[in-house]
Amino acid sequence: KAGVTQTPRYLIKTRGQQVTLSCSPISGHRSVSWYQQTPGQGLQFLFEYFSETQRNKGNFPGRFSGRQFSNSRSEMNVSTLELGDSALYLCASSLARQAIQETQYFGPGTRLLVL
Amino acid sequence: AQSVTQLDSHVSVSEGTPVLLRCNYSSSYSPSLFWYVQHPNKGLQLLLKYTSAATLVKGINGFEAEFKKSETSFHLTKPSAHMSDAAEYFCVVSPYGGATNKLIFGTGTLLAVQP
Repeated sequence: KAGVTQTPRYLIKTRGQQVTLSCSPISGHRSVSWYQQTPGQGLQFLFEYFSETQRNKGNFPGRFSGRQFSNSRSEMNVSTLELGDSALYLCASSLARQAIQETQYFGPGTRLLVL
Repeated sequence: AQSVTQLDSHVSVSEGTPVLLRCNYSSSYSPSLFWYVQHPNKGLQLLLKYTSAATLVKGINGFEAEFKKSETSFHLTKPSAHMSDAAEYFCVVSPYGGATNKLIFGTGTLLAVQP
């Protein structure tokens, strides 16, 4: 079974631009969560989608948004990029809505550099 | 509020010696706790999870963790380190006892294994 895939793997943007990252979950998984990983702040939860609905949101500004499609693929968008948005963006997929029930599987991440 | 504190940012052991990575948690609910590992340039992988079924949890690759409520700890151990264990390890809590997929990560412990 294929794992979680994220595209693109690497991305370079300039301040003020916007970016869209994509995540394809493991087949059959309906939950997709997004995380930002930086050396300073560590791993922080962005949001979670289940069956096309946002179920949870972390403490990030409104420039960060996401969506999920009917095939469970998810995209996240960051508008008006800032230097501090440079990070590794990870997505995770799961069969269920509850971490206590099912394992979440992480993708390799998209490394975004903002210049 | 739920949180985890990893007590050591770096741990160095010799190959064949025991590993101890320390984690304390804070949770107003019966906690749902996890350990994840991140190898360089690879995604996060679940090592083990505690869901109140048993206080001693066995995971993959010979790792185990013991939940101690009286000490609010969930330390990760392995009897004998292998070179391939060199990686960053994250102690994780899921809020509300794991009733959602949101994960709160500790700051990580970088494990070095010396030959």
